[in-house]
Amino acid sequence: EAQVTQNPRYLITVTGKKLTVTCSQNMNHEYMSWYRQDPGLGLRQIYYSMNVEVTDKGDVPEGYKVSRKEKRNFPLILESPSPNQTSLYFCASSLLAGVNYGYTFGSGTRLTVV
Amino acid sequence: TQLLEQSPQFLSIQEGENLTVYCNSSSVFSSLQWYRQEPGEGPVLLVTVVTGGEVKKLKRLTFQFGDARKDSSLHITAAQPGDTGLYLCAARKTGTASKLTFGTGTRLQVTL
Repeated sequence: EAQVTQNPRYLITVTGKKLTVTCSQNMNHEYMSWYRQDPGLGLRQIYYSMNVEVTDKGDVPEGYKVSRKEKRNFPLILESPSPNQTSLYFCASSLLAGVNYGYTFGSGTRLTVV
Repeated sequence: TQLLEQSPQFLSIQEGENLTVYCNSSSVFSSLQWYRQEPGEGPVLLVTVVTGGEVKKLKRLTFQFGDARKDSSLHITAAQPGDTGLYLCAARKTGTASKLTFGTGTRLQVTL
Protein backbone atom coordinates (compact mmCIF):
# COMPACT_ATOMS: atom_id res chain seq x y z
CA GLU A 1 0.00 0.00 0.00
CA ALA A 2 1.31 3.43 -0.98
CA GLN A 3 1.72 5.45 2.16
CA VAL A 4 3.60 7.90 4.32
CA THR A 5 4.47 6.47 7.73
CA GLN A 6 5.20 8.65 10.72
CA ASN A 7 6.39 7.53 14.12
CA PRO A 8 5.52 7.90 16.87
CA ARG A 9 1.81 8.79 16.70
CA TYR A 10 1.86 10.30 20.17
CA LEU A 11 4.76 11.68 22.17
CA ILE A 12 4.99 13.46 25.51
CA THR A 13 8.40 14.85 26.36
CA VAL A 14 10.07 17.38 28.63
CA THR A 15 11.58 20.71 27.71
CA GLY A 16 15.08 20.41 26.32
CA LYS A 17 15.15 16.68 25.65
CA LYS A 18 16.14 16.06 22.03
CA LEU A 19 13.70 14.06 19.96
CA THR A 20 13.26 12.81 16.42
CA VAL A 21 10.03 12.15 14.57
CA THR A 22 10.54 9.75 11.69
CA CYS A 23 8.85 9.89 8.30
CA SER A 24 9.12 7.31 5.54
CA GLN A 25 7.37 7.02 2.17
CA ASN A 26 7.27 4.00 -0.15
CA MET A 27 6.19 5.79 -3.35
CA ASN A 28 9.60 6.91 -4.63
CA HIS A 29 8.49 10.53 -4.23
CA GLU A 30 11.11 13.21 -4.71
CA TYR A 31 9.42 15.93 -2.67
CA MET A 32 8.82 15.71 1.09
CA SER A 33 7.69 18.27 3.61
CA TRP A 34 6.88 18.76 7.28
CA TYR A 35 3.90 20.76 8.55
CA ARG A 36 2.55 21.60 11.96
CA GLN A 37 -1.15 22.09 12.57
CA ASP A 38 -2.39 24.36 15.34
CA PRO A 39 -5.95 25.53 16.13
CA GLY A 40 -6.76 28.77 14.34
CA LEU A 41 -3.48 28.75 12.43
CA GLY A 42 -4.00 25.84 10.09
CA LEU A 43 -1.17 23.88 8.52
CA ARG A 44 2.14 25.71 8.41
CA GLN A 45 5.18 24.44 6.56
CA ILE A 46 8.30 23.81 8.65
CA TYR A 47 10.82 22.42 6.15
CA TYR A 48 10.74 20.81 2.78
CA SER A 49 13.04 18.74 0.59
CA MET A 50 13.10 18.70 -3.20
CA ASN A 51 15.32 15.59 -3.32
CA VAL A 52 18.12 13.77 -1.51
CA GLU A 53 20.47 16.21 0.25
CA VAL A 54 18.32 19.20 -0.83
CA THR A 55 16.36 20.83 2.00
CA ASP A 56 15.02 24.32 2.61
CA LYS A 57 13.12 26.30 5.23
CA GLY A 58 9.38 26.73 5.18
CA ASP A 59 7.41 29.36 7.07
CA VAL A 60 8.17 28.26 10.65
CA PRO A 61 11.60 26.56 10.73
CA GLU A 62 12.89 27.92 14.06
CA GLY A 63 13.70 25.17 16.55
CA TYR A 64 13.63 22.36 13.99
CA LYS A 65 16.14 20.50 11.85
CA VAL A 66 15.70 18.01 9.04
CA SER A 67 17.87 15.76 6.93
CA ARG A 68 17.35 13.86 3.68
CA LYS A 69 20.06 11.26 3.34
CA GLU A 70 17.82 8.75 1.57
CA LYS A 71 14.94 9.39 -0.79
CA ARG A 72 12.38 7.58 1.35
CA ASN A 73 13.18 9.10 4.75
CA PHE A 74 12.79 12.66 6.03
CA PRO A 75 13.16 12.86 9.83
CA LEU A 76 12.21 15.95 11.84
CA ILE A 77 14.57 16.75 14.70
CA LEU A 78 13.84 18.95 17.69
CA GLU A 79 17.21 19.58 19.33
CA SER A 80 15.79 21.33 22.41
CA PRO A 81 12.00 21.15 22.43
CA SER A 82 10.01 23.90 24.11
CA PRO A 83 6.33 24.05 25.11
CA ASN A 84 5.48 26.25 22.10
CA GLN A 85 6.38 23.29 19.89
CA THR A 86 3.44 21.35 21.28
CA SER A 87 1.45 20.65 18.16
CA LEU A 88 0.17 18.10 15.65
CA TYR A 89 2.85 17.36 13.08
CA PHE A 90 2.36 15.98 9.58
CA CYS A 91 4.83 14.65 7.07
CA ALA A 92 3.79 14.80 3.42
CA SER A 93 5.25 13.72 0.11
CA SER A 94 4.56 14.21 -3.58
CA LEU A 95 6.05 12.78 -6.73
CA LEU A 96 7.42 16.17 -7.75
CA ALA A 97 7.02 19.78 -6.61
CA GLY A 98 4.95 20.90 -9.59
CA VAL A 99 1.55 22.58 -9.70
CA ASN A 100 -0.33 19.42 -10.65
CA TYR A 101 1.02 17.26 -7.85
CA GLY A 102 -0.88 16.68 -4.66
CA TYR A 103 0.46 15.62 -1.31
CA THR A 104 0.12 12.29 0.42
CA PHE A 105 0.09 12.88 4.16
CA GLY A 106 1.04 10.68 7.06
CA SER A 107 -1.39 10.11 9.93
CA GLY A 108 0.27 12.69 12.15
CA THR A 109 2.32 12.87 15.34
CA ARG A 110 0.79 14.59 18.32
CA LEU A 111 3.62 16.08 20.35
CA THR A 112 3.28 17.51 23.84
CA VAL A 113 6.24 19.31 25.43
CA VAL A 114 5.91 19.91 29.18
CA THR B 1 -2.64 37.92 7.68
CA GLN B 2 -3.78 34.57 6.33
CA LEU B 3 -2.96 34.10 2.66
CA LEU B 4 -5.99 31.88 2.11
CA GLU B 5 -9.23 32.76 3.85
CA GLN B 6 -11.84 30.03 4.12
CA SER B 7 -15.49 30.56 4.95
CA PRO B 8 -17.45 29.60 6.82
CA GLN B 9 -15.20 28.33 9.58
CA PHE B 10 -17.89 25.97 10.87
CA LEU B 11 -20.95 24.50 9.23
CA SER B 12 -23.49 22.14 10.73
CA ILE B 13 -26.21 20.85 8.42
CA GLN B 14 -28.61 17.96 8.10
CA GLU B 15 -28.30 15.07 5.72
CA GLY B 16 -29.63 15.91 2.29
CA GLU B 17 -28.87 19.64 2.39
CA ASN B 18 -26.62 21.40 -0.09
CA LEU B 19 -23.70 23.59 0.94
CA THR B 20 -20.89 25.70 -0.46
CA VAL B 21 -17.58 26.57 1.15
CA TYR B 22 -15.26 29.25 -0.11
CA CYS B 23 -11.53 29.85 -0.36
CA ASN B 24 -10.46 33.43 -1.09
CA SER B 25 -7.24 35.36 -1.49
CA SER B 26 -5.86 38.58 -2.92
CA SER B 27 -3.03 36.63 -4.56
CA VAL B 28 -3.00 34.86 -7.91
CA PHE B 29 -2.28 31.15 -7.79
CA SER B 30 -0.81 28.74 -10.29
CA SER B 31 -2.91 25.92 -8.86
CA LEU B 32 -5.31 25.21 -6.03
CA GLN B 33 -6.15 21.98 -4.26
CA TRP B 34 -8.85 20.84 -1.88
CA TYR B 35 -8.24 18.31 0.87
CA ARG B 36 -10.48 16.64 3.43
CA GLN B 37 -9.18 15.75 6.86
CA GLU B 38 -10.91 13.40 9.28
CA PRO B 39 -10.17 13.30 13.02
CA GLY B 40 -6.92 11.52 13.81
CA GLU B 41 -5.78 11.41 10.20
CA GLY B 42 -3.83 13.46 7.72
CA PRO B 43 -5.50 15.45 4.94
CA VAL B 44 -6.48 13.54 1.82
CA LEU B 45 -6.36 15.16 -1.61
CA LEU B 46 -9.74 15.61 -3.30
CA VAL B 47 -8.93 17.65 -6.40
CA THR B 48 -6.42 19.91 -8.13
CA VAL B 49 -7.54 22.83 -10.32
CA VAL B 50 -5.12 24.70 -12.52
CA THR B 51 -7.00 26.74 -15.13
CA GLY B 52 -9.00 29.88 -14.31
CA GLY B 53 -12.72 29.10 -14.53
CA GLU B 54 -12.11 25.36 -14.32
CA VAL B 55 -14.88 23.21 -12.87
CA LYS B 56 -14.32 19.65 -11.67
CA LYS B 57 -16.81 17.19 -10.31
CA LEU B 58 -16.19 14.31 -7.94
CA LYS B 59 -19.49 12.49 -7.38
CA ARG B 60 -21.57 14.96 -5.30
CA LEU B 61 -18.71 17.44 -4.94
CA THR B 62 -18.21 20.29 -7.43
CA PHE B 63 -15.05 22.38 -7.36
CA GLN B 64 -14.59 25.66 -9.17
CA PHE B 65 -11.47 27.78 -9.65
CA GLY B 66 -12.15 31.49 -10.08
CA ASP B 67 -11.55 33.12 -13.45
CA ALA B 68 -8.76 35.26 -12.01
CA ARG B 69 -7.26 32.26 -10.12
CA LYS B 70 -7.61 34.04 -6.77
CA ASP B 71 -10.47 32.04 -5.29
CA SER B 72 -12.24 28.71 -5.31
CA SER B 73 -15.44 27.11 -4.12
CA LEU B 74 -16.51 23.63 -3.12
CA HIS B 75 -20.18 22.72 -3.46
CA ILE B 76 -21.61 19.55 -1.95
CA THR B 77 -24.98 18.31 -3.14
CA ALA B 78 -27.19 16.24 -0.83
CA ALA B 79 -24.66 16.05 1.99
CA GLN B 80 -24.22 12.77 3.82
CA PRO B 81 -22.78 12.02 7.29
CA GLY B 82 -19.71 10.58 5.55
CA ASP B 83 -18.94 14.10 4.25
CA THR B 84 -18.20 15.23 7.81
CA GLY B 85 -14.66 16.53 8.20
CA LEU B 86 -12.31 19.48 7.88
CA TYR B 87 -12.09 20.84 4.34
CA LEU B 88 -8.85 22.57 3.49
CA CYS B 89 -7.92 24.56 0.45
CA ALA B 90 -4.25 24.82 -0.48
CA ALA B 91 -2.57 26.83 -3.18
CA ARG B 92 0.73 27.49 -4.86
CA LYS B 93 1.61 31.05 -5.80
CA THR B 94 2.95 31.59 -9.26
CA GLY B 95 6.66 30.82 -9.36
CA THR B 96 6.75 28.93 -6.05
CA ALA B 97 5.91 25.35 -6.96
CA SER B 98 7.75 24.07 -3.91
CA LYS B 99 5.50 25.87 -1.44
CA LEU B 100 1.94 24.73 -0.83
CA THR B 101 0.09 27.11 1.52
CA PHE B 102 -3.01 25.93 3.36
CA GLY B 103 -6.09 27.78 4.49
CA THR B 104 -7.36 27.36 8.06
CA GLY B 105 -10.21 25.14 6.96
CA THR B 106 -13.97 24.73 7.12
CA ARG B 107 -15.21 22.22 9.65
CA LEU B 108 -18.33 20.49 8.33
CA GLN B 109 -20.70 18.35 10.37
CA VAL B 110 -23.52 16.50 8.68
CA THR B 111 -26.13 15.00 10.97
CA LEU B 112 -28.94 12.53 10.31
